[in-house]
Amino acid sequence: SQKIEQNSEALNIQEGKTATLTCNYTNYSPAYLQWYRQDPGRGPVFLLLIRENEKEKRKERLKVTFDTTLKQSLFHITASQPADSATYLCALGVGGTYKYIFGTGTRLKVLA
Amino acid sequence: EAGVAQSPRYKIIEKRQSVAFWCNPISGHATLYWYQQILGQGPKLLIQFQNNGVVDDSQLPKDRFSAERLKGVDSTLKIQPAKLEDSAVYLCASSPRTSGGAETQYFGPGTRLLVL
Repeated sequence: SQKIEQNSEALNIQEGKTATLTCNYTNYSPAYLQWYRQDPGRGPVFLLLIRENEKEKRKERLKVTFDTTLKQSLFHITASQPADSATYLCALGVGGTYKYIFGTGTRLKVLA
Repeated sequence: EAGVAQSPRYKIIEKRQSVAFWCNPISGHATLYWYQQILGQGPKLLIQFQNNGVVDDSQLPKDRFSAERLKGVDSTLKIQPAKLEDSAVYLCASSPRTSGGAETQYFGPGTRLLVL
C-alpha cells in the first residue's frame, strides 16, 4: 500500500543547531516533493519544492534533498531559531495531475 | 495580493445537521483544492477543481459531502448530514496552474468544525 511517513514524535533541538526532518514514502513515484510549514490554527505555508531530477535545493537557511532510490527526502534548517518551531509537512506531487499527497507532519520545537 | 479567504472560521453543530463552508481563492488561480485535516494528521485531499470542473474527487464521501465551484471562482463544500468523525479543519487551497507542472499551493486559514 502507498505510505508517506514523517517522524511522528516531536523533534526538540537546541537553538543554533541544525534540524533534520525526514520524509519517507513507499509505492509512490512522485514527480515533485514539497515542504510546508504549519503553525497552530493556520493553513500550511509553502517553503520549498524539489523535482525528481534534482538532488538538492536551498533557500536561505533551508535545504531539501530528494533521493528517489531511497524514496526519501530530508529537510534541514541550519542555525535554527525558536521562531522555526512549527509542524513541517512533506507533500508528494503526482506528475501531470497537480495533485499532492501530504504526510502526517513532524512537530519541531527549537529550545532557546 | 490577497490570500485565500475562508468562512466561517469556526463552526459547532450537532450530528445529523448540515453545514457549508465557503472559499474564495486567489484571483486568477485556476486550481482549487479542499482538504480535510484531522487533529495530528496531514491534510487529506477531498476534491480538486480545475476552473469549474472536477479533476479528482476520489476521496470525497459522496453520500454526505458535496462541493461546487461556480464560474470557476468561489467554492462551497457542504456536509449533510454530519457525523462525529467529520470533526476536523477544512482547508481550502488554490494554485495558478502554470505550464511548468509543479504547483505551489496557497492555503486559507481553514474552518474548524466540531460535530457534537
